[in-house]
Formats: sequence, structure tokens, C-alpha cells
Amino acid sequence: GAVVSQHPSRVICKSGTSVKIECRSLDFQATTMFWYRQFPKQSLMLMATSNEGSKATYEQGVEKDKFLINHASLTLSTLTVTSAHPEDSSFYICSASRVRGPGNTIYFGEGSWLTVV
Amino acid sequence: EDQVTQSPEALRLQEGESSSLNCSYTVSGLRGLFWYRQDPGKGPEFLFTLYSAGEEKEKERLKATLTKKESFLHITAPKPEDSATYLCAVQAEDSSYKLIFGSGTRLLVRP
Repeated sequence: GAVVSQHPSRVICKSGTSVKIECRSLDFQATTMFWYRQFPKQSLMLMATSNEGSKATYEQGVEKDKFLINHASLTLSTLTVTSAHPEDSSFYICSASRVRGPGNTIYFGEGSWLTVV
Repeated sequence: EDQVTQSPEALRLQEGESSSLNCSYTVSGLRGLFWYRQDPGKGPEFLFTLYSAGEEKEKERLKATLTKKESFLHITAPKPEDSATYLCAVQAEDSSYKLIFGSGTRLLVRP
């Protein structure tokens, strides 16, 4: 079964409004979560690294004020797209790092389709 | 700069026709190399993590191998349900744990 859950799976919002996407690790604590964006037939583009209890680390070219990330607990990270515009329409995917001994596994959520009209 | 290149971009196979997908990488110290399967409109599904050259892992019809420069995902006697995009990603030995993805290989297995 899924170990990382995203909600909502699909959302439509009006241009200028904000929308929040949640990412939860279901049976493990994740000090680090990641947010990706994926355009049709393209690979995943890392937007930011979400660290529990501290500020997120954004990749070059990603607007911090537009894509607000909060990682308030060890099982929940949220991505808020502020003042959304049609060009923000995309597939957003989160992932969480599960560390076991010297190794780690990165599990992904089911993704969230955002459509801005 | 850390980089991942996957080939081929797309692959069409007949059911039962075995083949291999390639993932070439350059990274400043490899912590792990990850393989995922992604179906259209869904998040990537974890397949394997490989940590050191010479390591191999298997799961059903899939087998992943790793050298110091590349990884192969071997698919033995594929079935139509193996059709998907296969993604390779590397994780560097820094503190970020973030993954650098290749562009993927779109696999289509015809019955």
C-alpha cells in the first residue's frame, strides 16, 4: 500500500486564488520531504526540499513567495501555490525520505493535478 | 554538475522479448541510484535502490545492476502490464538527500 499520501489528487481553482496541497508520510517519520513539478511527457523537476522545523530549500528559478512550503511535523508537508495563474497548472508530486540504517528510500505520493482557470 | 542520462528515450517490445534500459550518471560521490516506474498520471513507484558498484537487485521480471558509471534495468520476458515510463535517479553524498532524475524511458510492451 501507499506509504506517502497526497491530497487533493485533483483541484481546480480560479486565477488569483491560492491552493494548498498536503503530503503525508503514512507509517514513518520524514524529516525531509521534496516537492516536484512534472509537465506532460517530461521528467520530474525538483522545486524544493522541505525540512521539518526549518525553512525549505528552493531550487534555482523557483519563486519562494509563490510556492510556500511548510513542514510543521514529521509526517506532514504542505505546498501552497499563491496567487495562482494558468501557467501554474501542472502535476505536482511530493516525496519523503525514509532512512533505515545506512540506506534510504524515497517514496512518492500519488501526485496532485492543479488546473488554474 | 550531477547529471543523469537515460536511453533509449522510448522502447517498443513484443511480449516476451527481453531487453535492457540504460542509465548513465555523473555525480560527485554516489549515495544511491534509484529506479522507479511511473504510470501515466500517477506518482513514481519505487523499484530499487543500488548503493555500490557490482550490486544487483531483482524483483519479478526486473533486475537492476550498477557500475561506477551506469546502471542497467534488465526486463526479462516482459508482459504488457510492464508498459510504463522507467525513471532513474541519483542521490549524491551531500546532506540534501535530493534525487536528480533522468528523462526516463517510455516502455511499450505489445501483446
